[in-house]
Amino acid sequence: QKEVEQNSGPLSVPEGAIASLNCTYSDRGSQSFFWYRQYSGKSPELIMSIYSNGDKEDGRFTAQLNKASQYVSLLIRDSQPSDSATYLCAVNLRGGSNYKLTFGKGTLLTVNP
Amino acid sequence: GAGVSQSPSNKVTEKGKDVELRCDPISGHTALYWYRQSLGQGLEFLIYFQGNSAPDKSGLPSDRFSAERTGGSVSTLTIQRTQQEDSAVYLCASRRELGTTGVYGYTFGSGTRLTVV
Repeated sequence: QKEVEQNSGPLSVPEGAIASLNCTYSDRGSQSFFWYRQYSGKSPELIMSIYSNGDKEDGRFTAQLNKASQYVSLLIRDSQPSDSATYLCAVNLRGGSNYKLTFGKGTLLTVNP
Repeated sequence: GAGVSQSPSNKVTEKGKDVELRCDPISGHTALYWYRQSLGQGLEFLIYFQGNSAPDKSGLPSDRFSAERTGGSVSTLTIQRTQQEDSAVYLCASRRELGTTGVYGYTFGSGTRLTVV
């Protein structure tokens, strides 16, 4: 099993819809989870972090974490064309005595006007 | 500085030459990561520095790659005898602690686009 897996997409939603992005991870001991947004040709930008089971909301973004299922998701409500980007799931995975920030391959989201 | 600074922003080099890429992390950030991103691909972990601990070099793809971090601040990634498959964007990220829970926020630099011709 890959360490961090995302639905590869691409995902296309109409403007105003809810976009749902999913991620699973292999290390049950992981404690920190992040969603990054990356526009084409730009570096990743942190948009959400979550550490406890349940939902965390920030504006139009909601991160959901289920440690028992080793699953983290990102919901984007009222999607806008400016949300079109690649969304990267990142997990602090254990590697020896350290934790290492490991990324999924990303999901390309397109929001159509 | 206010953000993670990487230089140069673009580098074109001939196959077989050595290159040095620089990362200047945010002041006070305790950890520094190097990642590589090839065109259309995800982020590939290369190396991780945490304080004075021995670096985690498990992601370096070959012995042509090395990195150092001087004085717990600036880091240099060196690629010797560059090959065309080394062409990618090399990203640096630094990390700080958030509060007492031990969780961490990561900030990326704008990257160095390396092209080996």
